[in-house]
Amino acid sequence: EPEVTQTPSHQVTQMGQEVILRCVPISNHLYFYWYRQILGQKVEFLVSFYNNEISEKSEIFDDQFSVERPDGSNFTLKIRSTKLEDSAMYFCASSVLGQSLANYGYTFGSGTRLTVV
Amino acid sequence: DQQVKQNSPSLSVQEGRISILNCDYTNSMFDYFLWYKKYPAEGPTFLISISSIKDKNEDGRFTVFLNKSAKHLSLHIVPSQPGDSAVYFCAASATNFGNEKLTFGTGTRLTIIP
Repeated sequence: EPEVTQTPSHQVTQMGQEVILRCVPISNHLYFYWYRQILGQKVEFLVSFYNNEISEKSEIFDDQFSVERPDGSNFTLKIRSTKLEDSAMYFCASSVLGQSLANYGYTFGSGTRLTVV
Repeated sequence: DQQVKQNSPSLSVQEGRISILNCDYTNSMFDYFLWYKKYPAEGPTFLISISSIKDKNEDGRFTVFLNKSAKHLSLHIVPSQPGDSAVYFCAASATNFGNEKLTFGTGTRLTIIP
C-alpha cells in the first residue's frame, strides 16, 4: 500500500536554529498538507499546498514557516528560527485530488518528532 | 476556538461489546466528517467518513452516525477487539475545491479490556 514517508523520524535542534522536515507524498497525489500535534493536544492544521503554491495556512504558520516542493517528489517544511514551543510531532499528508474525503480521507505520514532545546 | 469537540478523553470497553465514541461540532459549514485512529509514534489512520447529506455510513465493524440538527456525530465499533485500543480523533472539513483542511477534535483514548 502506498505510503507517505517522512524523514527524519526524530530531530533535536537548538533554539534559534533552522530545521527542514522532509516528506515524500504518494506519487500520484496532488494536494499536500502539514499538520502538527503538540504533546497531549489535538492535531492542528498548518498549511495546504497545491499546484506549487499555498492554498491555505493557519495562524500558526507565520513568517518563520515555509513550504516547498523543490523537485516534484519531496515536500518540505522549513522553520527558520525554532522556538521551544515549536516542539511537536509534525505530520505530512497528501491526497490524490479534492473531494476525496468521502472515500478515504487522506494519507498521513508517521511524523517527525521535533524537539527544540 | 474549539470547532470540534470530543468531551470524553478516555473510554474503556469490554472486548466484544460496543464502543461508542462521540463528537460535537459548532461550524455549520462542515460538510465532511471523518474518524481517524492513532497509535503512539504513528500518523493518524483513516477509518471512516460521512458526508453531511447522509446520516449513517457503515464499513464492517465501524458505523458513523451524523445528527446535523444536534451537530453531533458518533462512531460505533461492534464488536470491540483488543486491536481497537488507540486514540480516536474526530475531524471535520468545510471543503472548498481542492482544499480539504481538517479540523480535529482533542481525541478519545479507547481501551478494550480483554
